[in-house]
Amino acid sequence: RKEVEQDPGPFNVPEGATVAFNCTYSNSASQSFFWYRQDCRKEPKLLMSVYSSGNEDGRFTAQLNRASQYISLLIRDSKLSDSATYLCVVTRNTGGFKTIFGAGTRLFVKA
Amino acid sequence: EAGVTQSPTHLIKTRGQQATLRCSPISGHTSVYWYQQALGLGLQFLLWYDEGEERNRGNFPPRFSGRQFPNYSSELNVNALELEDSALYLCASSFRDRGHSPLHFGNGTRLTVT
Repeated sequence: RKEVEQDPGPFNVPEGATVAFNCTYSNSASQSFFWYRQDCRKEPKLLMSVYSSGNEDGRFTAQLNRASQYISLLIRDSKLSDSATYLCVVTRNTGGFKTIFGAGTRLFVKA
Repeated sequence: EAGVTQSPTHLIKTRGQQATLRCSPISGHTSVYWYQQALGLGLQFLLWYDEGEERNRGNFPPRFSGRQFPNYSSELNVNALELEDSALYLCASSFRDRGHSPLHFGNGTRLTVT
């Protein structure tokens, strides 16, 4: 089992739809959580950090449930430009510091 | 603020040759990470440098090596290139805070081995 697992996707949604991505992590000692987006053949770019209280940035809302070891990203009013791969990222400092990337979930937003 | 810069953007080598990739972190960042991303696949962790020392390496053979310089820039060297080394090599940097701050990536070096 992978330490960070994401919905396999791809997600195909129409413009204006709300889409949710889920991510689970297996190590309870995980300490920090992030969502990145990666466009085709480009570098990953930080979308937002994820805090225990949940956080929102415009159309994007991230939530963390430490008890269930679960992270989510909600995108409201999807735009064509939201089409990308969304990566869940977890860090921990047990057994050596590590940053672990999920395999990503591909999103296609269609007109 | 200048971001993470990588050079060259593209690199074409033949099998058996050596490749050297370079990375300059964001000013103030002391940690540098290297990742390999083959076409259509996820990021594979290669190496982590902090304060000039190798702190961790991924599951790659010893022909993948690197170093970090006193100004925190870094080099990745790949010896005895193989066809399957063709990939996008991404460098990222962060503050030395053991994961509390996120990684910031450069544009990558696309290595093609023929």
